[in-house]
Amino acid sequence: AQSVTQLDSQVPVFEEAPVELRCNYSSSVSVYLFWYVQYPNQGLQLLLKYLSGSTLVESINGFEAEFNKSQTSFHLRKPSVHISDTAEYFCAVIRSGGYQKVTFGTGTKLQVIP
Amino acid sequence: ETGVTQSPTHLIKTRGQQVTLRCSSQSGHNTVSWYQQALGQGPQFIFQYYREEENGRGNFPPRFSGLQFPNYSSELNVNALELDDSALYLCASSLAQANTGELFFGEGSRLTVL
Repeated sequence: AQSVTQLDSQVPVFEEAPVELRCNYSSSVSVYLFWYVQYPNQGLQLLLKYLSGSTLVESINGFEAEFNKSQTSFHLRKPSVHISDTAEYFCAVIRSGGYQKVTFGTGTKLQVIP
Repeated sequence: ETGVTQSPTHLIKTRGQQVTLRCSSQSGHNTVSWYQQALGQGPQFIFQYYREEENGRGNFPPRFSGLQFPNYSSELNVNALELDDSALYLCASSLAQANTGELFFGEGSRLTVL
């Protein structure tokens, strides 16, 4: 079975400052990794994903995440946050090649302070 | 392209009652998954349907049941409601053949059990 740990439940950061949201996973098999974002009163939207290949993946709105197999981590970073980035971010994992049970972390609330 | 739609968006029930939640999958998707998101938690996998059959189930009791129809839409039924069933219920569709694990979520049905 897979599991995901998001150590920070809330992360306050000033606008235009950098941010890192931490995610660690556990699995005995190879996995795919995801970050989803949830804005208030909405469903989840895929932010970015790692399937294979380059360990650094990027989103269209400036976020990036790096897959680190040795540290079993998939931290999410952005060099300069905007007010509109205020949301809850969920790290998720799925066994590669298996049926599509996605396991989510407990989420990190990013609060961007003007 | 039509996204995932869920109904109703909000509902209130009392303990012991039964509820049916509905989901229309994104155009072209053949797989539907249901997740329960309790307040302050990440989504928890309930089950998945593919070709009208249950294709995987999380740690939920049998009073949680579902259906998938030939047009790939789906229902989640919960019998004998308990207070702890209060949550946001998320439906997600995907394309099984893509095998990427990427899920496309609706905005959810918020169930309150009194």
